[in-house]
Amino acid sequence: EVQLVEFGGGLVQPDRSLRLSCAASGFTFDNYAMHWVRQAPGKGLEWVSGISSNADAVAYAASVKGRFTISRDNAKKSLYLQMDSLRAEDTALYYCTKDKFAGIHSALDVWGLGTPVTVSS
Amino acid sequence: QSPLTQPASVSGSPGQSITISCTGTSSDIGTNNYVSWFQQHPGTAPKLIIYDVLSRPSGVSNRFSGSKSGNTASLTISGLQAEDDGDYYCTSYTTTTNVLFGGGTKLTVL
Repeated sequence: EVQLVEFGGGLVQPDRSLRLSCAASGFTFDNYAMHWVRQAPGKGLEWVSGISSNADAVAYAASVKGRFTISRDNAKKSLYLQMDSLRAEDTALYYCTKDKFAGIHSALDVWGLGTPVTVSS
Repeated sequence: QSPLTQPASVSGSPGQSITISCTGTSSDIGTNNYVSWFQQHPGTAPKLIIYDVLSRPSGVSNRFSGSKSGNTASLTISGLQAEDDGDYYCTSYTTTTNVLFGGGTKLTVL
């Protein structure tokens, strides 16, 4: 069964850091680009960051560029999101998603259940 | 970049067809065919229903179809069913190697 499971969410104070992880199973992880997408409470979807299958290309939304870092470990079939200098507006449910293609695309065909991040003092 | 523009809401009766538009610019929708559509029901993760403007993933009903003209992509749902009720989002790859989502459209099946 194709599955993505996110870990690492929680309550964090403003300006602190948090690292999200995503464990993949049921597909050849290193063949596909991966992404993080977030959804603030009651709001729409916002793409956060993407990384190509072999990590030679990464991209970020303007709202997180310079603060968040995406990475992957193909041997461990895992995706990560290092989030620094967190702000209240980063509060959201963070989804790990798989692309249908090796390069950064927009065809996100597998989604995890999400991990919640709350930034508050 | 600003989100792609979608109508906030659309509605239709069972059996009818509806179309949801997604308007971008020459830097995103207008420059490539990497447009996708997602369906989301309350409390659940989104589901991919259309990619590359008009392709359907395996298992997605052929009542869902996509198209594009210029800077605007469209999702058409024919033969509306109660289960189609939910939120719909478009995305596009952009020239800056980013991915943009639309603001979302709430579909109500009357």
